[in-house]
Amino acid sequence: GAVVSQHPSRVICKSGTSVKIECRSLDFQATTMFWYRQFPKQSLMLMATSNEGSKATYEQGVEKDKFLINHASLTLSTLTVTSAHPEDSSFYICSASDYTGNTIYFGEGSWLTVV
Amino acid sequence: GQNIDQPTEMTATEGAIVQINCTYQTSGFNGLFWYQQHAGEAPTFLSYNVLDGLEEKGRFSSFLSRSKGYSYLLLKELQMKDSASYLCAVRGGGGNKLTFGTGTQLKVEL
Repeated sequence: GAVVSQHPSRVICKSGTSVKIECRSLDFQATTMFWYRQFPKQSLMLMATSNEGSKATYEQGVEKDKFLINHASLTLSTLTVTSAHPEDSSFYICSASDYTGNTIYFGEGSWLTVV
Repeated sequence: GQNIDQPTEMTATEGAIVQINCTYQTSGFNGLFWYQQHAGEAPTFLSYNVLDGLEEKGRFSSFLSRSKGYSYLLLKELQMKDSASYLCAVRGGGGNKLTFGTGTQLKVEL
C-alpha cells in the first residue's frame, strides 16, 4: 500500500484563487519532504525542500511567495499555490524518505488545472 | 551542478531483456535511484544503489559504477505492463534531494 499519501488527486480552480495540496507520510516520520512539478512528457523538476519546523528551501527560479510550503508536523507537508494562473496547471508530486534515506517514496500526485 | 543522461526512447519485445543506461555527473554523490512512471501517475520506486555493483530484485536489477558515473537498469522477462517511463535519479550535493534525468520511455511490443 501507499506509504506517502497526497490529496487531492485532481483539482480544478479558477484563475486568481489559491489551492492547497497535502502530502502525508504514512507509518513513518519524514523530517524532510520534497515537492516536484512535472509537465507532460517532461521529467520531474524539484521545486522545494520542505523541512519540518523550519522554512522550506526553494530551488532557483521558484517563487516562494507563490508556492507556499508548510511542514507543520513530521507526517504532513502542504503546498499552497497562491493566485493561481493557467500556466500553473501541472502535475504536482511530493516525496518523503524515512530516517535512512535509502528509499524515497512518492505520493500519488495531484493534477492541478487552473481555468 | 548535476547532469544526468539517459536515452529518450527504447523499444523491446515481450519476454526479452532490456538494459536502460544512465550516466551522471554530480558532486557529493550519495546514491542513485531508479523509478518507473506510467503516464499520468506518480513514480514508483524500483531500486537504490549507493555502492558499486549489482542489486537484484525479481525481474529488475540495477548496476552502479561510481568511478564511471554510470548505472543501468536491467529488466528481464519483459511484460506488456512494463511499458512506461523509467527515471534515473541521483542524490548529491548535500541533503536528500534527487535530481532526475529526463526519463527513458520504454515500449514493449508483442
